[in-house]
Amino acid sequence: GIQVEQSPPDLILQEGANSTLRCNFSDSVNNLQWFHQNPWGQLINLFYIPSGTKQNGRLSATTVATERYSLLYISSSQTTDSGVYFCAVKTSYDKVIFGPGTSLSVIP
Amino acid sequence: NAGVTQTPKFQVLKTGQSMTLQCAQDMNHNSMYWYRQDPGMGLRLIYYSASEGTTDKGEVPNGYNVSRLNKREFSLRLESAAPSQTSVYFCASSTRGQGVSNQPQHFGDGTRLSIL
Repeated sequence: GIQVEQSPPDLILQEGANSTLRCNFSDSVNNLQWFHQNPWGQLINLFYIPSGTKQNGRLSATTVATERYSLLYISSSQTTDSGVYFCAVKTSYDKVIFGPGTSLSVIP
Repeated sequence: NAGVTQTPKFQVLKTGQSMTLQCAQDMNHNSMYWYRQDPGMGLRLIYYSASEGTTDKGEVPNGYNVSRLNKREFSLRLESAAPSQTSVYFCASSTRGQGVSNQPQHFGDGTRLSIL
């Protein structure tokens, strides 16, 4: 089946720093989503981005479907950005597979 | 607008007991999913249902059964609970299709299940 990888697995940032998270997938996909799981365990949808670039405030995402990767950019990081970031891909059979996540800690 | 509702939110079971986790969505979505998340790990797909009346295995289906009762409801059953099934269980739903008809997944808040 399709494989989803994320890098880096862990990331520690000083408040105000920028970062790029990467998601690679092994086969063509219909859709891709980025989620943030907050410290309370809730999954928050960040972007729904099967291709192209989207921006929402300090966050932006780019998916290059033909090269099978997606990037999540976080600029001017804040302590509230801490948590785990997941990408999830949807196959042509409507199956949705998650990557292992990137754990982000933003320190003051 | 409730979105995806999971019950119960917490449950403690003894080894060998059975229970059913309930999930309902009010967004008229075709597809529904069950995931488990173990401490410090990502979400792994247990089962999913692309439409009413169909179910398919995900990455880790062993030890579980599912029922797509109707378009709104998708339940997950543990017939004989084992300590290895201690986890947080998430239900999700989405529309089916491609392009503009396809929408992102929406998640419930999770069920925290401990098996002693």
